[in-house]
Amino acid sequence: AQSVAQPEDQVNVAEGNPLTVKCTYSVSGNPYLFWYVQYPNRGLQFLLKYITGDNLVKGSYGFEAEFNKSQTSFHLKKPSALVSDSALYFCAVRDGNFNKFYFGSGTKLNVKP
Amino acid sequence: EPEVTQTPSHQVTQMGQEVILRCVPISNHLYFYWYRQILGQKVEFLVSFYNNEISEKSEIFDDQFSVERPDGSNFTLKIRSTKLEDSAMYFCATREAPYSGNTIYFGEGSWLTVV
Repeated sequence: AQSVAQPEDQVNVAEGNPLTVKCTYSVSGNPYLFWYVQYPNRGLQFLLKYITGDNLVKGSYGFEAEFNKSQTSFHLKKPSALVSDSALYFCAVRDGNFNKFYFGSGTKLNVKP
Repeated sequence: EPEVTQTPSHQVTQMGQEVILRCVPISNHLYFYWYRQILGQKVEFLVSFYNNEISEKSEIFDDQFSVERPDGSNFTLKIRSTKLEDSAMYFCATREAPYSGNTIYFGEGSWLTVV
């Protein structure tokens, strides 16, 4: 069965420090992996995706994510966090054989000044 | 960035009433989705729609729910006989077909409150 796990409900970092938001997945076919960000009372905004190719994917707002097939992970990273990065982050996976996207439970990122 | 437009942004309805949520997809997109997010919980898949028919649906999407694309542009979610537990943010999402790696783009959501 397809699934996504975000093991941390909340991540706290200080502004200027690097941040990592974790995601692991389980699919039966080739994984298509996505990160979305949700600001309060807003929709989900696309950040980046991995389909194929380089394991390190760069996206919007300076975010990047690393696809690790052996660990079935797709962690979101940013070298230097901003207070404005504070939001809810969702990892999603789509099994290449199916139409549906599966979302993780979300991780709340708090960046303190 | 391309936009998916949803209306209404917020609707309050009496329990037992019918609600229609509307979505205007991105113009060249052919796959449509509805997702639901109950306050503080994860984003849940409801249904996907392609070529004027449902392609997948979740166990949440029972006979109370229906979708259609009545005029070839708007994509609607109808919830009949609403219940308190239907209170949630409903997101429409769309993607271009047929390339399976295409991103899905979400609307801003319709917040439904059932009282």
